Amino acid sequence: EAGVVQSPRYKIIEKKQPVAFWCNPISGHNTLYWYLQNLGQGPELLIRYENEEAVDDSQLPKDRFSAERLKGVDSTLKIQPAELGDSAVYLCASSLGGSSYNEQFFGPGTRLTVL
Amino acid sequence: SQKIEQNSEALNIQEGKTATLTCNYTNYSPAYLQWYRQDPGRGPVFLLLIRENEKEKRKERLKVTFDTTLKQSLFHITASQPADSATYLCALDNAGNMLTFGGGTRLMVKP
Repeated sequence: EAGVVQSPRYKIIEKKQPVAFWCNPISGHNTLYWYLQNLGQGPELLIRYENEEAVDDSQLPKDRFSAERLKGVDSTLKIQPAELGDSAVYLCASSLGGSSYNEQFFGPGTRLTVL
Repeated sequence: SQKIEQNSEALNIQEGKTATLTCNYTNYSPAYLQWYRQDPGRGPVFLLLIRENEKEKRKERLKVTFDTTLKQSLFHITASQPADSATYLCALDNAGNMLTFGGGTRLMVKP
């Protein structure tokens, strides 16, 4: 069974440029998460989807970040414009349900470098 | 909000010894606590979940304890192997049906 797929794996952009990350969760997983992970720190939740609905986006910087999950499957996270401080790994995860009881399956992440 | 503390310093142990990692939290006791393993360049991988009414959980060479009085979870790897070298993250449910992750502890097992 395929795991969570993310692309690209690496992205280097100049500041003020836009960037987008794509995630394909495990088939049948209704809940999808986007996390940000800085070096030496744990993942921090940006947004959580239950099917196509964003149920928790309180940590998403809405002035520059946006996300969508059309049809409740794939998801895209966008940053526009990117800032130097956005350099980090962006992780996508999925789970069968939205309870904190459910284990989360993570993708390999996209490492973003903003110059 | 929940504050989670894991030792940010790497833990170095000899192969065959038991590794013990600590996860402390400061506020309310979570209903669930999860442990994940993360290798460089990869996403975290789920290892174990323990409920607040469980004192201990085992899986092969792994053992997790949960002490709601001390607000602490301990993660043990017995008969450690170099392949166990990784960063281990604890994650707690934060009453909003979400997981909050600690910063992780890096374990290095020397042959």
